[in-house]
Amino acid sequence: QKEVEQNSGPLSVPEGAIASLNCTYSDRGSQSFFWYRQYSGKSPELIMFIYSNGDKEDGRFTAQLNKASQYVSLLIRDSQPSDSATYLCAVIPNTGNQFYFGTGTSLTVIP
Amino acid sequence: ETGVTQTPRHLVMGMTNKKSLKCEQHLGHNAMYWYKQSAKKPLELMFVYNFKEQTENNSVPSRFSPECPNSSHLFLHLHTLQPEDSALYLCASSLRQVVNQPQHFGDGTRLSIL
Repeated sequence: QKEVEQNSGPLSVPEGAIASLNCTYSDRGSQSFFWYRQYSGKSPELIMFIYSNGDKEDGRFTAQLNKASQYVSLLIRDSQPSDSATYLCAVIPNTGNQFYFGTGTSLTVIP
Repeated sequence: ETGVTQTPRHLVMGMTNKKSLKCEQHLGHNAMYWYKQSAKKPLELMFVYNFKEQTENNSVPSRFSPECPNSSHLFLHLHTLQPEDSALYLCASSLRQVVNQPQHFGDGTRLSIL
């Protein structure tokens, strides 16, 4: 079983809509969750991270954790074409001290 | 502009060549990482250095040899690579290797093995 799974997409949303990206993880005791954005040909860029104690909002981005169902979501409000990228989820399981990445979800925001 | 710089950005080499990838971070971090990113696969952690000491080697073949002379510099020495080693190699750093520290990535080296 993969540690972290993401739907590869592509996910397409119209400009101004809410984009919702999900990531499931296998280790129930995971404590730290990270979202990265990767433009084509570029490095992953940290967007935000949350711990198991709560959700976080930062500008147009909100990260939400559902511990019971073992998934973490990234919501992007008022989506812009510049948000078009691959979004990588990373989780640090309770059993170790290294990141486990998902394969990423490709998001396209249509003008 | 990234605080983690990788060179070269692109590298084409034959299977018998020896080359090195370089990573430098200007963030004052003490942990550095090498990842491999292949199409349709998750990022694969290769090596971790924390305060210049190697702390992780994820069963990486010996044709990849890391070197960390100080907390700001990380190298990946390559020799006798295989075609399946063609990928994007990413360097990352974090303040230290602890559970909740975010990692910051360089732009990567795109490696092609002929």
